[in-house]
Amino acid sequence: EDKVVQSPLSLVVHEGDTVTLNCSYEVTNFRSLLWYKQEKKAPTFLFMLTSSGIEKKSGRLSSILDKKELSSILNITATQTGDSAIYLCAVYQGGSEKLVFGKGTKLTVNP
Amino acid sequence: DTGVSQNPRHKITKRGQNVTFRCDPISEHNRLYWYRQTLGQGPEFLTYFQNEAQLEKSRLLSDRFSAERPKGSFSTLEIQRTEQGDSAMYLCASSSFGQNTEAFFGQGTRLTVV
Repeated sequence: EDKVVQSPLSLVVHEGDTVTLNCSYEVTNFRSLLWYKQEKKAPTFLFMLTSSGIEKKSGRLSSILDKKELSSILNITATQTGDSAIYLCAVYQGGSEKLVFGKGTKLTVNP
Repeated sequence: DTGVSQNPRHKITKRGQNVTFRCDPISEHNRLYWYRQTLGQGPEFLTYFQNEAQLEKSRLLSDRFSAERPKGSFSTLEIQRTEQGDSAMYLCASSSFGQNTEAFFGQGTRLTVV
């Protein structure tokens, strides 16, 4: 069965720390991997990764895909309290338009 | 606001009642998705439309659930004879056509079955 596993499930850090969130997947015919941030209700899109080894970057956030290891990481540098959220990883597989989500990593950034 | 819009935002219903939710996608998006999310879990796929055609349905979608997108614009999700296990956040998302396109989510409808 297709699955996406995220680790850790929760993380508490202090402002200014750097964090690395992990996502591993087992899906048939992998197409792409997406990261979302969910603060209260709607997951908001962060990155889409399709090619291995190419880093996507947006401000203090960056992400990279490793197709050999079937995994991705999301890095957040100089964390701020506003980064507190659940970070979701999801995967598209070939032949389907459904996203398979992991359970998410709950990040809490304390001042 | 040109994002995905869902109504109502919250719904409390008694067990056994029928409920209907509405989703208005981003106007130029021809793909529309429904997901369900419970506490501590990621969203689970329910169904997907391309224009008015329902192209995929999850095995999770029992016969009490039905979704429509009659004119290829807004969509409705109806749950008949609600059960307490249906309590969840129901999320709608939309995307444009293409092999790898990001899905944009609405704020969700929180359903509580009492």
